[in-house]
Amino acid sequence: GENVEQHPSTLSVQEGDSAVIKCTYSDSASNYFPWYKQELGKGPQLIIDIRSNVGEKKDQRIAVTLNKTAKHFSLHITETQPEDSAVYFCAASKPGTASKLTFGTGTRLQVTL
Amino acid sequence: KAGVTQTPRYLIKTRGQQVTLSCSPISGHRSVSWYQQTPGQGLQFLFEYFSETQRNKGNFPGRFSGRQFSNSRSEMNVSTLELGDSALYLCASSPSGQASYEQYFGPGTRLTVT
Repeated sequence: GENVEQHPSTLSVQEGDSAVIKCTYSDSASNYFPWYKQELGKGPQLIIDIRSNVGEKKDQRIAVTLNKTAKHFSLHITETQPEDSAVYFCAASKPGTASKLTFGTGTRLQVTL
Repeated sequence: KAGVTQTPRYLIKTRGQQVTLSCSPISGHRSVSWYQQTPGQGLQFLFEYFSETQRNKGNFPGRFSGRQFSNSRSEMNVSTLELGDSALYLCASSPSGQASYEQYFGPGTRLTVT
């Protein structure tokens, strides 16, 4: 089955700096790659996603890049703010089983003042 | 639009008992998926229901089951609870069909098995 690896497991940045989280996936058939942010006591919140026919997608301070050949995708957060502190998860799914997300192990991002 | 709601938010059960968790999807969403989140195994897919039918299934034992009603609300049931079933159970809803990929999660039900 699909396997998604995520790095780093923890990331500490200063406010205003950029943060990058990387994921690799094993199944070349995967075509949908969402990113979720989970704050303490809450469920994961979809923050951005990308499909395999697109190489990059941006939404304000957040961007995701996808390299299908290398089977990896990354989340970029620019101008980080304290409210960006949370656990971030990447995930992947395949056509026909789009709802069956395989998640990475998560990255705890801490933005310090 | 109201988000995904899950009830109850917290639950304490004893080994051997059974439990039923409930999920109400976002209005208009027809697909409901369930996930288990634990510190050791992370987020794992349990199953998905669409139009009252189980459409996808993860690798969990038969003690874990679910159903969906005609109004798209869903329940999951865990029978013969084990200590290892202690987890945050998350429900996610999606608009509809195979072309709708986005899933929106509820706050979860925290189940503790003693």
